[in-house]
This record gives sequence, C-alpha cells and structure tokens, in this order.
Amino acid sequence: QKEVEQNSGPLSVPEGAIASLNCTYSDRVSQSFFWYRQYSGKSPELIMSIYSNGDKEDGRFTAQLNKASQYVSLLIRDSQPSDSATYLCAVIPSGAGSYQLTFGKGTKLSVIP
Amino acid sequence: EAGVAQSPRYKIIEKRQSVAFWCNPISGHATLYWYQQILGQGPKLLIQFQNNGVVDDSQLPKDRFSAERLKGVDSTLKIQPAKLEDSAVYLCASSPGTGESQPQHFGDGTRLSIL
Repeated sequence: QKEVEQNSGPLSVPEGAIASLNCTYSDRVSQSFFWYRQYSGKSPELIMSIYSNGDKEDGRFTAQLNKASQYVSLLIRDSQPSDSATYLCAVIPSGAGSYQLTFGKGTKLSVIP
Repeated sequence: EAGVAQSPRYKIIEKRQSVAFWCNPISGHATLYWYQQILGQGPKLLIQFQNNGVVDDSQLPKDRFSAERLKGVDSTLKIQPAKLEDSAVYLCASSPGTGESQPQHFGDGTRLSIL
C-alpha cells in the first residue's frame, strides 16, 4: 500500500520563526506532490505544488523535494498566528491514471504570539 | 467564482439508519471526488467521477455506500445502513480535469455523527 507519512505534531513555533514541516512517501516513482492547509472545521486548501527536485518558493512558503530520499518538506518563514492550522501532505502515486491524491495524516502547527 | 457547495453541513443519525449528502461542484469542472476524513487523519478518496462516469471506486465500501452523478454535474453520496465507524467528515472536491496540474478544490464538507 502506497503511504504518505507525516509527524502529527503538534509543532509549536514562536511568531516570526521558521516552521518546518516534513513528509515522506513510500512510492519511489511518485511524481506530484502537494501541500494543503486545513483550518479547524474547514476544508483543505491547496497552498503549494511541486513536481521536480529542489526548492519552489511562493511568498513565505517554500516547498522542497528530494525524490532520491522520498522526502518533501514545507518551510513557512516569518510564521504568523494565522498560519496555525493542520498541514496535509498529498502525493499522486505512480500508476494513478485518475490522478487521485493520497494524503498523510497531517501535522498540526501552532504559532505562538 | 462560486466554490464547491455541499449540504447538509452537519448530520446526526443513529446506526443502521440511512443518510445522503449532496455536492455541487464548481461550474465547468468535469471531475468530482468524494473523500472521507476521519478525525485526526487525512482525507481518503472514496470515489472519483469524470463527467457522469466512475473513474475509480476501489475504496468505496460498496455494501453500504453508493454514489451517483447522473447528469455530470451534481452528485450524491449515500450510506445505508450507517455504522459507528462511518462517523467522519465527507468532503467533496472538483477539478477542471484529471491532469496532475489540475488542482482539486474542496467544499466545506458534511460532518456526520453516528449515535
């Protein structure tokens, strides 16, 4: 079974610090990786997608992908209390002709003012 | 642009009863997904439609769950009879197509509690 693993947290960081969220996946040939943010009682919201090795930056967010290590991470710079949420890592495994997402359990982030 | 609409937002039923959820995707989105999200876990895909056809229902418990998208727009998900372990949030998502660059947009979900 193709799996996506995340530390459930909670991860607590002070306001203004860098939050680092990590994700590993079991399917070596996965090609597409996504980070969703989910506030309590709300639906998941796509914040980053990454498809090739290296870093991808969007504002305060940076996604990092290392396919050799089967590892994807999300860095949040200058963390704000409004960033407090659960962050879900999602992967499109190989052979998923339907492009269905496999999600991790999520990491709960708390940014302390 | 209106988002994915789901109803009801909350539902409480007793075990062995039946329940139905409704989803209206973003206008023009051909692909529709139903996910089950149990508390503390990530969403798990139940079924995927492309227009009015089923693309993947391999994780749908077909003995009790059914879903349809008759006219390729709205969709309903039904559970009959419900079990205690069905308590979860049921999320509907839609995307323009099935390519990996086609982001999935989620509705706010229906929170189901089984007594």
